[in-house]
Amino acid sequence: AQSVTQPDIHITVSEGASLELRCNYSYGATPYLFWYVQSPGQGLQLLLKYFSGDTLVQGIKGFEAEFKRSQSSFNLRKPSVHWSDAAEYFCAVAPPGAGSYQLTFGKGTKLSVIP
Amino acid sequence: DAGVIQSPRHEVTEMGQEVTLRCKPISGHNSLFWYRQTMMRGLELLIYFNNNVPIDDSGMPEDRFSAKMPNASFSTLKIQPSEPRDSAVYFCASTERETQYFGPGTRLLVL
Repeated sequence: AQSVTQPDIHITVSEGASLELRCNYSYGATPYLFWYVQSPGQGLQLLLKYFSGDTLVQGIKGFEAEFKRSQSSFNLRKPSVHWSDAAEYFCAVAPPGAGSYQLTFGKGTKLSVIP
Repeated sequence: DAGVIQSPRHEVTEMGQEVTLRCKPISGHNSLFWYRQTMMRGLELLIYFNNNVPIDDSGMPEDRFSAKMPNASFSTLKIQPSEPRDSAVYFCASTERETQYFGPGTRLLVL
């Protein structure tokens, strides 16, 4: 069965600092990979996704993620964090190909931003 | 497009009462998912529909939970009878190809 690990439960960074959120997955083949963000009291918003091709993926709000097959990782990065980025971030995987689009989510990483 | 719409946004009820959560997916999306989010268990998939047909309900906790999708624009999740351990945020999501779009959620508190 597929699984997603986000090793950091909570991360605190200063505004303007760079950010990297870690995500590792366990799956037989390369799955579809996603990052979602959840602001307090809100639903999940898609930041970016990777299906195939270029391993560096650009998303909304200045985020990017890099797929590394050898490390089974899909880490999320942002060069300069803004206070409005404080939220919870979820990595998710889905089986590749058409058909079932069931997502398996990680437990999430809560990001706090110090002004 | 208004996105995925869920109602109510908040629900407070007493143990033993019936609770019905509603979801309107984005027009044209063929799949609909119901999730439950708690601090202890994170995001759990309860059930999903494809073209209004339930495909996988293995995540539904027990017989007290039921879900329907009578047409492409409406789905309900019902809990009867409700219990305090059902307190959680329930999300609905609809899918355009491989990407899921989430509603704002219903925060349920069972006293």
